[in-house]
Amino acid sequence: EPEVTQTPSHQVTQMGQEVILRCVPISNHLYFYWYRQILGQKVEFLVSFYNNEISEKSEIFDDQFSVERPDGSNFTLKIRSTKLEDSAMYFCASSLLRGTSGGTSTDTQYFGPGTRLTVL
Amino acid sequence: AQSVAQPEDQVNVAEGNPLTVKCTYSVSGNPYLFWYVQYPNRGLQFLLKYITGDNLVKGSYGFEAEFNKSQTSFHLKKPSALVSDSALYFCAVRGSSGGSYIPTFGRGTSLIVHP
Repeated sequence: EPEVTQTPSHQVTQMGQEVILRCVPISNHLYFYWYRQILGQKVEFLVSFYNNEISEKSEIFDDQFSVERPDGSNFTLKIRSTKLEDSAMYFCASSLLRGTSGGTSTDTQYFGPGTRLTVL
Repeated sequence: AQSVAQPEDQVNVAEGNPLTVKCTYSVSGNPYLFWYVQYPNRGLQFLLKYITGDNLVKGSYGFEAEFNKSQTSFHLKKPSALVSDSALYFCAVRGSSGGSYIPTFGRGTSLIVHP
């Protein structure tokens, strides 16, 4: 069964450094997402991406964050200057479509295993 | 704004007993509802969803959920719990028309199944 993969599984960085988190979505999916989960808290939406542009973003996704699909398979999240509060588990997800088709939802999001980011 | 409440941080149940993990929601219009499970050091795995049709939805690993529009609830259930069901369970909701297509997740409920 196809799955979303993420690398690295754990990233440790110093405050102020740039990090790039990588994801390989399911190959025929068209919508891509990043979420984060601070330890012990709920999963929070960061950004969605379609057709090489951001389609939605949350207030968390400020100018320090950017996303890119540099080739046909990878989807990356970059944090330019990490802060202590960026420490979290970051999940990538993908979906085939965004909405419904013929009354059946095709927007189920499939998640990767996550990258644990630790900012020291 | 849409929101999800999972009123229990933790649910404890003995193996073989039925389990229920509660979820209530608030959304404009008709809801699309989802349950995900997260095992330790793993990402969220899709369990089931309600879009339309029968209020009782069956999903993976023997789980099912019942949509109750009047109570705005979507509780996750399983007739006979397994120790391997122990994990973190997340309920999510999004609206079915207009606005954002992004689901809002609850805080999660830790299910512990005792042998």
